Amino acid sequence: NAGVTQTPKFRVLKTGQSMTLLCAQDMNHEYMYWYRQDPGMGLRLIHYSVGEGTTAKGEVPDGYNVSRLKKQNFLLGLESAAPSQTSVYFCASSYLTSGTEAFFGQGTRLTVV
Amino acid sequence: AQSVTQLDSQVPVFEEAPVELRCNYSSSVSVYLFWYVQYPNQGLQLLLKYLSGSTLVESINGFEAEFNKSQTSFHLRKPSVHISDTAEYFCAVIGGGSEKLVFGKGTKLTVNP
Repeated sequence: NAGVTQTPKFRVLKTGQSMTLLCAQDMNHEYMYWYRQDPGMGLRLIHYSVGEGTTAKGEVPDGYNVSRLKKQNFLLGLESAAPSQTSVYFCASSYLTSGTEAFFGQGTRLTVV
Repeated sequence: AQSVTQLDSQVPVFEEAPVELRCNYSSSVSVYLFWYVQYPNQGLQLLLKYLSGSTLVESINGFEAEFNKSQTSFHLRKPSVHISDTAEYFCAVIGGGSEKLVFGKGTKLTVNP
């Protein structure tokens, strides 16, 4: 049982380059989230989705886009990477209602130089 | 919008001492509360959760948290900590009319011999 899988695990980008982070879950969860984790800042919500084909902005959405074309996948895109986007990115998913726990991936460490 | 405040960014304690990690949230209306733990270079794992019912919830490894609606708090406690409890702990909330899972900034617990 894979749970929540993030790819890639590590990436170094040059300023201005683009990339897509993939999150895949095999638990048939409706809710999916993308967070970034920075020292002293905790986890900040970038975007989230409450179902296939729907997305919404979180606390820090600028510079990122997302898509949820399939229920099991939630993609996070950086169109033009900036050094301020250097961070550890976590994906999470949870079942239908807000009373269930979220399951996390292992994270993607992104460095923008 | 929901918010979570973790009052201590770092908590150093000696092994076998008791510990309390404090968490306050912004709304007392129909919320669900969670504590997650993150060990170095790993994703987040659920430690315990409050959904409804008894205000005292326990984890399998000796932690407990008490939901206090009047004080909008969900403090985490352990009567006797081990070296292996060294980790970062995050309080999270969802509900109150929002679908966003919102995290505090985290508390780094360091257990010294």
